[in-house]
Amino acid sequence: DVKVTQSSRYLVKRTGEKVFLECVQDMDHENMFWYRQDPGLGLRLIYFSYDVKMKEKGDIPEGYSVSREKKERFSLILESASTNQTSMYLCASSSLVGGTEAFFGQGTRLTVV
Amino acid sequence: SQQGEEDPQALSIQEGENATMNCSYKTSINNLQWYRQNSGRGLVHLILIRSNEREKHSGRLRVTLDTSKKSSSLLITASRAADTASYFCATDGRPTPGGSYIPTFGRGTSLIVHP
Repeated sequence: DVKVTQSSRYLVKRTGEKVFLECVQDMDHENMFWYRQDPGLGLRLIYFSYDVKMKEKGDIPEGYSVSREKKERFSLILESASTNQTSMYLCASSSLVGGTEAFFGQGTRLTVV
Repeated sequence: SQQGEEDPQALSIQEGENATMNCSYKTSINNLQWYRQNSGRGLVHLILIRSNEREKHSGRLRVTLDTSKKSSSLLITASRAADTASYFCATDGRPTPGGSYIPTFGRGTSLIVHP
């Protein structure tokens, strides 16, 4: 069974903290994505990676960075958390082969107080 | 930027009825996908339809694609309370350097099926 695992389901952090959201996939996928989901706004792409150490900005990269040191792991970093980054964060992966079907993790609901 | 937009935003039906959701998109595509999201969870892939296909079935799901109208519909027949979820269409967004595409999602349709 294919799997994308996010390190936390729920997270509460303080304003100004550096926050790490981890995502691991076991499907040997080349592509990995971080989306943010807010009510009424749908899923918005923050960053994606198409290979180890390779990354590109999505639609809303401000305030975020990413790291992909190994193929199976893609980390999202909030450099200095702010209350407007309170949201549901979704990690996904997909292969270059077989279309663009994406497999999602269970999501991390982050609250910044 | 969002490519696909679902309609309606919310749908409330009784168990046993059919549910139809629509997706419109702006630019030409290679594939269109439908995903389901249970409350507070990640998305689960339901079905992919390619641009040269007009209709596809999977169990109680039927998806149609009209590339001339840039629209797709998802039909769930004989709905069950367990079908209560949000449904999203995703189209090809920006191409990746590796040759695939980034899935770009709409805002979703929230479906409630009453027992």
